[in-house]
Amino acid sequence: NAGVTQTPKFRVLKTGQSMTLLCAQDMNHEYMYWYRQDPGMGLRLIHYSVGEGTTAKGEVPDGYNVSRLKKQNFLLGLESAAPSQTSVYFCASSYAGSETQYFGPGTRLLVL
Amino acid sequence: EDQVTQSPEALRLQEGESSSLNCSYTVSGLRGLFWYRQDPGKGPEFLFTLYSAGEEKEKERLKATLTKKESFLHITAPKPEDSATYLCAVGLSSGSARQLTFGSGTQLTVLP
Repeated sequence: NAGVTQTPKFRVLKTGQSMTLLCAQDMNHEYMYWYRQDPGMGLRLIHYSVGEGTTAKGEVPDGYNVSRLKKQNFLLGLESAAPSQTSVYFCASSYAGSETQYFGPGTRLLVL
Repeated sequence: EDQVTQSPEALRLQEGESSSLNCSYTVSGLRGLFWYRQDPGKGPEFLFTLYSAGEEKEKERLKATLTKKESFLHITAPKPEDSATYLCAVGLSSGSARQLTFGSGTQLTVLP
């Protein structure tokens, strides 16, 4: 039981490049979330999903897109990376009836 | 505007020196108050959920309490392995899909 896993662990991009971050969970959770964490600002919600095929915007969605084609996977895409998107990205998941969110180990992204 | 503020930003303790971390919140409707622990380079790990004023929960050397305006995380006789960043988060009754709003954390260092 791996819990929540994230790929890749670290990535360097040039401004304007695109990439996709992958989150996978093996706990059969209905809800999945993408956060970014920046120094002094805490975790901020980017997008979330309440089930396969559904997504919704969080607090800071601009510049990001998401997809949830399978229940166990939640993808975060950056179409045209900007230096302001340099951050650590965390994925989390939870059961529909629970408040507890389980987090992955994070992806560190540097945009030059 | 809903806000979550944690203090202090950083705290250094000697091993065995008890202390408390504070999480104050101003929200329109509280669904729950959550405490997480985050080790360097890792994702947050769930500790406690508190739902109503007066509620307390304990785990080893940690005890979390909740009032109508703030929560405290009391650390009794800490050990070096308690060193981590402690995050609090609030779930809002007006929010959807179990959204959490996080504070910026307290970085705790316990010296041997």
